[in-house]
Amino acid sequence: QQQVKQSPQSLIVQKGGISIINCAYENTAFDYFPWYQQFPGKGPALLIAIRPDVSEKKEGRFTISFNKSAKQFSLHIMDSQPGDSATYFCAASRLKAAGNKLTFGGGTRVLVKP
Amino acid sequence: DGGITQSPKYLFRKEGQNVTLSCEQNLNHDAMYWYRQDPGQGLRLIYYSQIVNDFQKGDIAEGYSVSREKKESFPLTVTSAQKNPTAFYLCASRSAGATQSSPGTDTQYFGPGTRLTVL
Repeated sequence: QQQVKQSPQSLIVQKGGISIINCAYENTAFDYFPWYQQFPGKGPALLIAIRPDVSEKKEGRFTISFNKSAKQFSLHIMDSQPGDSATYFCAASRLKAAGNKLTFGGGTRVLVKP
Repeated sequence: DGGITQSPKYLFRKEGQNVTLSCEQNLNHDAMYWYRQDPGQGLRLIYYSQIVNDFQKGDIAEGYSVSREKKESFPLTVTSAQKNPTAFYLCASRSAGATQSSPGTDTQYFGPGTRLTVL
């Protein structure tokens, strides 16, 4: 059972545009929501993360919006650059659970055209 | 340099063979994880270990085995029982003790991965 659903699977955006990736979760016990960026042939790297006690978190051109009642969160990449072309994964975990296991979404492949 | 290393980068296996993937970290992290990545399916947890000499099954442990004899090492063996082992394997580590007030310690850091292909 996939507990974190991510959409779209892929998207193409022009340089300078906004990339938006959405995730929905089912387990209301999740309390930590990170986003990872992965380049081809490399391991994922943490991009930004949010807790359910805030509705938005911004770091540079990357913003997470969180809607607890809808059990949804999204990543916005402002002023998208060709270097942002990568696969993005949302994830969720329970901080106090044994192992702090991350449940990942299926990933979104982003292509930024120059 | 602090980080996670995985070896080899590419691995080819014949049908019926067991192979072992190496994962080493010098971040002094307590917890380590193994994930499998297939196209379009995200990352799925195979095994994880919170302390030395202890490990737990993840969501897709069948056909895999692990050991945790040292804090810095968490090797994964892909056995002949794994029906479809061709995939990209990722190792990760995390410092233990993550709490609501210490969000930074919940970050899982990933290695560069090993691509396993069955011939």
